[in-house]
Amino acid sequence: QSALTQPRSVSGSPGQSVTISCTGTSSDVGGYNYVSWYQQHPGKAPKLMIYDVSKRPSGVPDRFSGSKSGNTASLTISGLQAEDEADYYCCSYAGSYTGVFGTGTKVTVL
Amino acid sequence: EVQLVESGGGLVQPGRSLRLSCAASGFTFDDYAMHWVRQAPGKGLEWVSGISWNSGSIGYADSVKGRFTISRDNAKNSLYLQMNSLRAEDTALYYCAKDMGIAVVGAFDIWGQGTMVTVSS
Repeated sequence: QSALTQPRSVSGSPGQSVTISCTGTSSDVGGYNYVSWYQQHPGKAPKLMIYDVSKRPSGVPDRFSGSKSGNTASLTISGLQAEDEADYYCCSYAGSYTGVFGTGTKVTVL
Repeated sequence: EVQLVESGGGLVQPGRSLRLSCAASGFTFDDYAMHWVRQAPGKGLEWVSGISWNSGSIGYADSVKGRFTISRDNAKNSLYLQMNSLRAEDTALYYCAKDMGIAVVGAFDIWGQGTMVTVSS
């Protein structure tokens, strides 16, 4: 159950796109289509942004999209906005009724 | 209103026990799996444990296996985490989170505000 690997930080100007990677193994990310992404603002509880690799819960802007290739999942934020500045975490099912989060990525809007 | 409210956190000495509770409201509790997720001060999220709708499937992180026990009481719309043999590294904000499905697959669509556990002598 090693944490999934994410870049420590990414940044972009308003209107640009940024992509956050989430690298695991064939025992977690690569083995199941149960990858989810969470946004967390300081002092707040996390918020679900993407589930089942690429599905968006109702209320989440379509600027947020998810994908997966092999053992790496990705979250793309298009048309970056000031309110998107936050920490982002991926999470994957890891078998045997367990889950594992990523190391977290700080998104900065320049 | 869909809501999860955690309680039971506090300051505890190393080696002692603590029981966390999570009260659910606004949704059909026994239709969903539930989880505990923690976050140490200034650190990232760590999945701790999950339980299916009928308690038939349960999983634990390696870091807590053998020390923590998750349970639920569907009649009381409540989730619990019994934490034994607590260590300093268990110090964290503990979140209760609702899964989107009945099985323990880990997409958490509803979160509580968390209850803080501090393990220190």
